Formats: sequence, C-alpha cells, structure tokens
Amino acid sequence: GEQVEQLPSILRVQEGSSASINCTYENSASNYFPWYKQEPGENPKLIIDIRSNMERKQTQGLIVLLDKKAKRFSLHITDTQPGDSAMYFCAARTGGYKVVFGSGTRLLVSP
Amino acid sequence: DTTVKQNPRYKLARVGKPVNLICSQTMNHDTMYWYQKKPNQAPKLLLFYYDKILNREADTFEKFQSSRPNNSFCSLYIGSAGLEYSAMYLCASSRGGNQDTQYFGPGTRLLVL
Repeated sequence: GEQVEQLPSILRVQEGSSASINCTYENSASNYFPWYKQEPGENPKLIIDIRSNMERKQTQGLIVLLDKKAKRFSLHITDTQPGDSAMYFCAARTGGYKVVFGSGTRLLVSP
Repeated sequence: DTTVKQNPRYKLARVGKPVNLICSQTMNHDTMYWYQKKPNQAPKLLLFYYDKILNREADTFEKFQSSRPNNSFCSLYIGSAGLEYSAMYLCASSRGGNQDTQYFGPGTRLLVL
C-alpha cells in the first residue's frame, strides 16, 4: 500500500497555543517525509522535512517527529500565529521519485 | 530562482475537447511531476518525467499524456476532457537523486463544462 492518512482535516487553535498534525503511512520502505504549507491562492511550499535516519527535527517553531515502527510522523507548530493559518500537507516518498500526499489539514489560528 | 511556472492559471474547456497545460522551470531539475488535486483530497500523482523517461501512474495511464521537449518544459495533455477532469493541476520539479525537495508551481485550475 502507498496511502498516507492525515488527521485532522480541520484544526482550530487559539493564537499562542500549539498545533499538531498526524500522518501515517503504509509502505515501510518510505524514507523521506516532507511537509508543505499552502496559503490561499499560492502553491504548496516545503516548510520542513525529515528523513528516515532521524526521529526528530526542529526548525523555526516547527517540530517533526518520525516513528518508523508505528509508521507515523507528525508536525507540531509551537506558539501559533494567525500567519500560520493555511493548508498543511504531509507526504511520504515511497520509493524512486514518487511522493504520496496526505489529504491535508486546514489550520485556523484565531487571535 | 526556485520558481516553477504554469500556464494558463485558469482554463475553461468543453466536454470532449482537448486540453494542454504547460509547466516550466529554470532550475535544471531532472524530474518534473504532474498532480491532480480536487477539493478535500490529497494531490494525486498523475505522471512524472525523470530526464526523458515518462512514468505514468497505472490508474491514469490512458487518461493523460505528457511531453518534455527539453529539460525546462513539461506539458500535460488531455485528449478528450470529461467533467471529472475538473480540478487543480499542480506541476512540480525536483533535482532527483537525494535532492528530494519538490518545488511546486501555482497550479492551473481546469473547469470542464
């Protein structure tokens, strides 16, 4: 299987709180897990990624965790701001050049 | 310049008519991809070119064609559009190999009537 499941589909948080998005994948050979942010009218942009030789990566208020045993990875946004409101997509590279995307999470950060 | 460009941004097509979408990048990337995205669904890979080699997904094999006349350009061709083709079409490129980052274009919104 090559599906990537992403939850939740909609996430509402208060400004300053943290937000977490979870994804699971099926192909145990997956080795690369990017996260994309898409703002209205814009193209998806890579915000952070993690490879299978790591369990945790952090950059600029973003943390990604990877649990290869559970085939699960997650994005955590600390201290959310209204500018973080967007659509977020997780993805998993399943082999070769193919990247399979999750269905997306709409994050809404209210002031 | 990490820009991927797509033309047109919006396309209105009639059922049964052909559609040709264009993507370009100047990053000298080996790999170019086409995805179809419908509301509340994940971007679905349709096909990709690695250099001159075209790889099409099994379930969309007969519905979409593509050409890559040079490293910078890649087209997506629908021979006979159906209503179910209405979607956003996203082009992306990546360097290939271990350089896995995909850079996306702004998309072409196709509406078939």
